[in-house]
Amino acid sequence: GENVEQHPSTLSVQEGDSAVIKCTYSDSASNYFPWYKQELGKGPQLIIDIRSNVGEKKDQRIAVTLNKTAKHFSLHITETQPEDSAVYFCAANDYKLSFGAGTTVTVRA
Amino acid sequence: EAGVTQFPSHSVIEKGQTVTLRCDPISGHDNLYWYRRVMGKEIKFLLHFVKESKQDESGMPNNRFLAERTGGTYSTLKVQPAELEDSGVYFCASSQANPNTEAFFGQGTRLTVV
Repeated sequence: GENVEQHPSTLSVQEGDSAVIKCTYSDSASNYFPWYKQELGKGPQLIIDIRSNVGEKKDQRIAVTLNKTAKHFSLHITETQPEDSAVYFCAANDYKLSFGAGTTVTVRA
Repeated sequence: EAGVTQFPSHSVIEKGQTVTLRCDPISGHDNLYWYRRVMGKEIKFLLHFVKESKQDESGMPNNRFLAERTGGTYSTLKVQPAELEDSGVYFCASSQANPNTEAFFGQGTRLTVV
């Protein structure tokens, strides 16, 4: 089955700085890679996703890159704001989602 | 349109008791998934329904867990009897089609077994 590893487990950044979270996956059959943000007391919410025929995707301050050869993908948040503080999960999907362990991001004002 | 709804939001039960969690998916979503997150670890897949049929239940921990999806609408996940290691947050998600489409998550049920 798929195994997804996510690093770092915690990340503290100064407001306005960038945050980068990296994930690796094991199953070359996986072809859909979503990123979820979970705020306190809420369920995970999709913030961006990428499919295996695309190397990079941007949506305002967030971007995701995918390297299928190396089986890794990353989330980049630029110009971080306090509301970006949350737990972020990467996932890989062959036909079901396999999640990383999560990264707790804290944006310091 | 209502999102994925889970009941209850919290449950505290004693070891050996039974608990039933409920999930109402987004209307029209054939795919329904149950996941669990144990403190500080990854969100782990439990099982997948397509309409009323169990497509994949490979993630179910043991036979103390029973999931049903009546008529392909809402789903229940029953734990009987509950053990301490069953504590965690149970998430339900639904999607229109599979694979590679967005899965919408409920807010989760935090289960504490004492």
